[in-house]
Amino acid sequence: QLQLQESGPGLVKPSETLSLTCTVSGGSISSSSYYWGWIRQPPGKGLEWIGSIYYSGSTYYNPSLKSRVTISVDTSKNQFSLKLSSVTAADTAVYYCARLEAARFFDYWGQGTLVTVSS
Amino acid sequence: QSVLTQPPSVSGAPGQRVTISCTGSSSNIGAGYDVHWYQQLPGTAPKLLIYGNSNRPSGVPDRFSGSKSGTSASLAITGLQAEDEADYYCQSYDSSLSGCVFGTGTKVTVL
Repeated sequence: QLQLQESGPGLVKPSETLSLTCTVSGGSISSSSYYWGWIRQPPGKGLEWIGSIYYSGSTYYNPSLKSRVTISVDTSKNQFSLKLSSVTAADTAVYYCARLEAARFFDYWGQGTLVTVSS
Repeated sequence: QSVLTQPPSVSGAPGQRVTISCTGSSSNIGAGYDVHWYQQLPGTAPKLLIYGNSNRPSGVPDRFSGSKSGTSASLAITGLQAEDEADYYCQSYDSSLSGCVFGTGTKVTVL
C-alpha cells in the first residue's frame, strides 16, 4: 500500500523559507504514470494546490505562488520536497503531499503537517 | 482564489439525498476537463471519492455518485448517513492557470 509522509519544521519565522519533504513508501516515485504534488489548507479554510513535479524533474506551479515556490525530487531517496520563500502569516497551513494520477487527480495523500509562520 | 464554486453548506436527514454543485467556467469544467471529488472528515486528510466525473475508487460506497454537464458538476449522496458528515471538495484542471484547481468546499451536515 502506497504511503506518503510529510516532514519538516512546524514553526517558521516570517520572511524565512519553509522547507518540507515528502517520503514515499510502498511504491516508486519514478513511476511514469504519476506526478507528485503539494497542497495546503489554512486553518478553517479550503484546499489550495501549490504545485506538482514529475520524477524527471518537470514542474508546474500555482501562478499565485510561483515566484516563491520550488519543488524538487530525489529519486534515489524516493522523496520530493517543497520550498516556499519569504513566508508570512498567510502561509500558515496544513501542508499535504499527494500522488497525482495521470496529472489529473490526487489518489493518495499524506496525513498532512501543520506549519505555523510566527516570530 | 478558488475558480470552482460550491455551496458553503448542505444538510439532510439520515436516509435523504443531498447534492453538491461545483460551478466552473470555460477554462476548466467547460473546456472538457474531468472533475474529481474528495471527502475530508474532521481532522483528517482529504480522501478521493469520485474521479473522472463519475467513477468511484475501490471501497467507496455506491451511495456516492458524480455527474458533469456543461460548466458544472455535481456530487450526490443518497441514503445519507451520520458518517457522511464531512467537507467535500471538487477539483479539476484549469487551462488559464495551467494547473489544478479546487472548489471552495461544502460542509455536509446530517441532521
